[in-house]
Amino acid sequence: QIQLVQSGPELKKPGETVKISCKASGYTFTDYSMHWVKQAPGKGLKWMGWINTETGEPTYAEDFKGRFAFSVVTSASTAYLQIINLKNEDTATYFCAKRGLTTAHFDYWGQGTTLTVSS
Amino acid sequence: DVQMTQTTSSLSASLGDRVTISCRAGQDISNYLNWYQQKPDGTVQLLIYYTSRLHSGVPSRFSASGSGPDYSLTISNLEQEDLATYFCQQGNTLPFTFGSGTKLEI
Repeated sequence: QIQLVQSGPELKKPGETVKISCKASGYTFTDYSMHWVKQAPGKGLKWMGWINTETGEPTYAEDFKGRFAFSVVTSASTAYLQIINLKNEDTATYFCAKRGLTTAHFDYWGQGTTLTVSS
Repeated sequence: DVQMTQTTSSLSASLGDRVTISCRAGQDISNYLNWYQQKPDGTVQLLIYYTSRLHSGVPSRFSASGSGPDYSLTISNLEQEDLATYFCQQGNTLPFTFGSGTKLEI
């Protein structure tokens, strides 16, 4: 069965860097793009962008250009989200989500990784 | 960006009830509307894609419809496990955007 398993919770200080992983199994990793979604505490879902898992080319939503980086290691069927120069407002749960076959929907999600940024 | 509006932020219902959750897009999204369920433990799953197509493994008591800017999700014969927050998402135009969610209380 298809699974996306994300890395564990992170506690970081402002200015630090974090890298969150998302390991996929149960399907051919490079056949589907991987998307990232942010959920701030008590808030809704915000799409951050996506990465072409075959070419490694990322696309970022406007609010996530600059400090955010998507990457993949195809041999490990793993996608990564790196955030540099962390700010308090980066405190959130981050989800990876696999795009579905046809229309732009996300058919499988990781369990989420909670990031807390606090001095 | 396409604004997705879920005007009902929370909804209270009883076991066995039928409930409908609405979502309105700021523009025509050509039926590229998806519904997700987020359980209290935070896990998210796809329920419905492309307006009315049921995702694999989702119970048939979930159904959905809509067109143009207006869409709805219906849950029939409510069960305790349906306690969750429901989000709509448009997949017609980048950036993809979500509604603010409707929390269903049983």
